[in-house]
Amino acid sequence: DTGVSQDPRHKITKRGQNVTFRCDPISEHNRLYWYRQTLGQGPEFLTYFQNEAQLEKSRLLSDRFSAERPKGSFSTLEIQRTEQGDSAMYLCASSGGQGSNSPLHFGNGTRLTVT
Amino acid sequence: DAKTTQPNSMESNEEEPVHLPCNHSTISGTDYIHWYRQLPSQGPEYVIHGLTSNVNNRMASLAIAEDRKSSTLILHRATLRDAAVYYCILRDGNQAGTALIFGKGTTLSVSS
Repeated sequence: DTGVSQDPRHKITKRGQNVTFRCDPISEHNRLYWYRQTLGQGPEFLTYFQNEAQLEKSRLLSDRFSAERPKGSFSTLEIQRTEQGDSAMYLCASSGGQGSNSPLHFGNGTRLTVT
Repeated sequence: DAKTTQPNSMESNEEEPVHLPCNHSTISGTDYIHWYRQLPSQGPEYVIHGLTSNVNNRMASLAIAEDRKSSTLILHRATLRDAAVYYCILRDGNQAGTALIFGKGTTLSVSS
């Protein structure tokens, strides 16, 4: 178990640029989640995949955000035309098994700073 | 989603037990009580979960009130490494894969 891996760990970008983050879940985990966390707040749910299917999207996921999980393995989260309000920690988590209570395993996140 | 209420912060001394409370008065019969914690500069990590009975694992114990309207996460001997934000979350056991909805949690400080 190598854990959930996220890349990059830090990203600084200028307002208006596009950024893409990658998440590698624990192998064979069929469920993958993206969250966003700002300072002093708990993580906020963005979207959820089961295998390659995107099953749920939060209203927080504006049109500028898109997530993919093309082969049911790694996932990418792209933010287009970044805004300063997008500055946050972006967390990825995965879970496996058939049960509804399988724990989520989180990566250590990608910290985005928009200047 | 059913909501939980936790104190904003708590303090403890090293080697002492810690009882972290959580109120969830609107819990439904199929909601499981999950606890996660988040150490500084890390993603959240799973601690424990339960439905009705008290639960124990190597990290902690979970005590669930008989009416299920509250629960308590128990760290038997706090260490400095236990300083973290602790989240109490309800998760519907009938909906496979449902996302966790985090609140602000309780920030636990541990002093030596």
